Amino acid sequence: KQEVTQIPAALSVPEGENLVLNCSFTDSAIYNLQWFRQDPGKGLTSLLLIQSSQREQTSGRLNASLDKSSGRSTLYIAASQPGDSATYLCAVSPGGGADGLTFGKGTHLIIQP
Amino acid sequence: SQTIHQWPATLVQPVGSPLSLECTVEGTSNPNLYWYRQAAGRGLQLLFYSVGIGQISSEVPQNLSASRPQDRQFILSSKKLLLSDSGFYLCAWRAGYAYGYTFGSGTRLTVV
Repeated sequence: KQEVTQIPAALSVPEGENLVLNCSFTDSAIYNLQWFRQDPGKGLTSLLLIQSSQREQTSGRLNASLDKSSGRSTLYIAASQPGDSATYLCAVSPGGGADGLTFGKGTHLIIQP
Repeated sequence: SQTIHQWPATLVQPVGSPLSLECTVEGTSNPNLYWYRQAAGRGLQLLFYSVGIGQISSEVPQNLSASRPQDRQFILSSKKLLLSDSGFYLCAWRAGYAYGYTFGSGTRLTVV
């Protein structure tokens, strides 16, 4: 059974810092990996999708990397802003014809002004 | 462009009452559809998914059921709610295995 772990569970940093959120998964037979952002009481907003054949994806100040063989992904946020405060979720999509995402429990990020 | 709609946004229901949550997707055809639940202090849990009309796969045995009466409509139901059914319910869709998931805005269900 796939398990996804996110470290740290919570992070508070001053505005302007660069930061890295970590995600690990136990079964490397994934189809793709997706990072989401969730604001309190809201749905999930997709940030980046990385296919299993890719090493990284970039969108603006966000960069996500994937090392499928070691079961790891990182989300790098450059020049953090207070508006980046949210919970960040990592999720993997299985291969082999199965369906549905397996989520980590998230990293709760606070950017101090 | 594609959009996903979920309603209601919030719901307070007594124990033992029925439930019906609806999700619709616009701007695409034959989407894969999903229901997830996010309980307090726990991660997101896949409840049901559907790859076509009338095709439902259940991931977790529970007090809930799902139906897909039309191509872009996905319904989550219960005949009798339990306290443990409280949570944040999210509908999602994607175009196929190579694509990312898009989530709706969620329904906050409180069973009292």
